[in-house]
Amino acid sequence: ILNVEQSPQSLHVQEGDSTNFTCSFPSSNFYALHWYRWETAKSPEALFVMTLNGDEKKKGRISATLNTKEGYSYLYIKGSQPEDSATYLCAFMETGYQKVTFGTGTKLQVIP
Amino acid sequence: DTGVSQNPRHKITKRGQNVTFRCDPISEHNRLYWYRQTLGQGPEFLTYFQNEAQLEKSRLLSDRFSAERPKGSFSTLEIQRTEQGDSAMYLCASSFQRDSYEQYFGPGTRLTVT
Repeated sequence: ILNVEQSPQSLHVQEGDSTNFTCSFPSSNFYALHWYRWETAKSPEALFVMTLNGDEKKKGRISATLNTKEGYSYLYIKGSQPEDSATYLCAFMETGYQKVTFGTGTKLQVIP
Repeated sequence: DTGVSQNPRHKITKRGQNVTFRCDPISEHNRLYWYRQTLGQGPEFLTYFQNEAQLEKSRLLSDRFSAERPKGSFSTLEIQRTEQGDSAMYLCASSFQRDSYEQYFGPGTRLTVT
């Protein structure tokens, strides 16, 4: 069983604050690391797919970094807005397999 | 809307009944996945199809669970003799083989077993 962990489990921030979350995953047999945003009553939405050590991806105010050698990824949100409130999931994809192993998620609430 | 769709969105059933869920993937996607998510956990992989072939099954998928994708398009997940522990969100995702990193998710079917 692969161990994919996320921290913190939940987070409340004020509108305008910047924040970041951590995803840790096995450092061996790495294939890809996904980040998803899951709003209540909606489908999980893909944010980033990261495949190379040192990858940095950015989409608007959200960015992510990847360190496959030590097995972690950070997701950053700059200037949080209420619409950023969601659960953020990371998912690890292992070489040779198609399934992804999800972390338990970080639930973010942005307070106006 | 050409995204992944799932039906029904909610299902309440009594313990011991059988239930069936349907997933319609994005039309050109040949890979289809089923996941289960329980409260406080991330989605857990159940099974995966490439076209109509079921290529991988999790140990989570007991004998009471069966999934099919008869024509390589939509898929069904059936749970027989439901138990209260089956209450969860069942998610379906699809991907295209040449772009196999990214999976597109449906909105899920929430099952409540009473």
